[in-house]
Amino acid sequence: EDKVVQSPLSLVVHEGDTVTLNCSYEVTNFRSLLWYKQEKKAPTFLFMLTSSGIEKKSGRLSSILDKKELFSILNITATQTGDSAIYLCAVEGDYGGSQGNLIFGKGTKLSVKP
Amino acid sequence: DAEITQSPRHKITETGRQVTLACHQTWNHNNMFWYRQDLGHGLRLIHYSYGVQDTNKGEVSDGYSVSRSNTEDLPLTLESAASSQTSVYFCASSGDGWGDTQYFGPGTRLTVL
Repeated sequence: EDKVVQSPLSLVVHEGDTVTLNCSYEVTNFRSLLWYKQEKKAPTFLFMLTSSGIEKKSGRLSSILDKKELFSILNITATQTGDSAIYLCAVEGDYGGSQGNLIFGKGTKLSVKP
Repeated sequence: DAEITQSPRHKITETGRQVTLACHQTWNHNNMFWYRQDLGHGLRLIHYSYGVQDTNKGEVSDGYSVSRSNTEDLPLTLESAASSQTSVYFCASSGDGWGDTQYFGPGTRLTVL
């Protein structure tokens, strides 16, 4: 059965800390792994990863994929209170359609305290 | 600007009633998806469509149906609402290109009493 497991499920840090969020997966015909940030509304796209070992970076956020060990990490450096959100990991499999379906993890709830 | 909208944003209904949630996108995307999000489960796929007249069941499709009569809309119908269907529902759409990401609507909070 395809599945995506995120850890930890929740995390409380102080401003300025660095955090690492984990996502492991088992999926048929892996196509890509995506990270989303969800505040009080719809998820917003952060990164899409398709190749192992290539870091994607956007400001203080970065992510990398390991297709051999079947996991990805999302790093946030110098955290700010605005980083408080649920971070979702999703994996896309190739089921023969024009785009595979996304399988989501349960998310990591990050709380950044001033 | 292209966008994806959902209506209503909030809905309260009674057990046994039929409910339809609307999803409309102006991206001209072929692919559209419905998810529900519940505490402890994350986002789960209900139904999806790869184009007009195409619909497919997702992980949690029981009690739900969709129809795709045009590119822009994928309404989600709860045939006979149950309390277990109280949830937040998200619609998403994406293009056909490999690597095209899914863009999400703002969500509909449905409460079934």
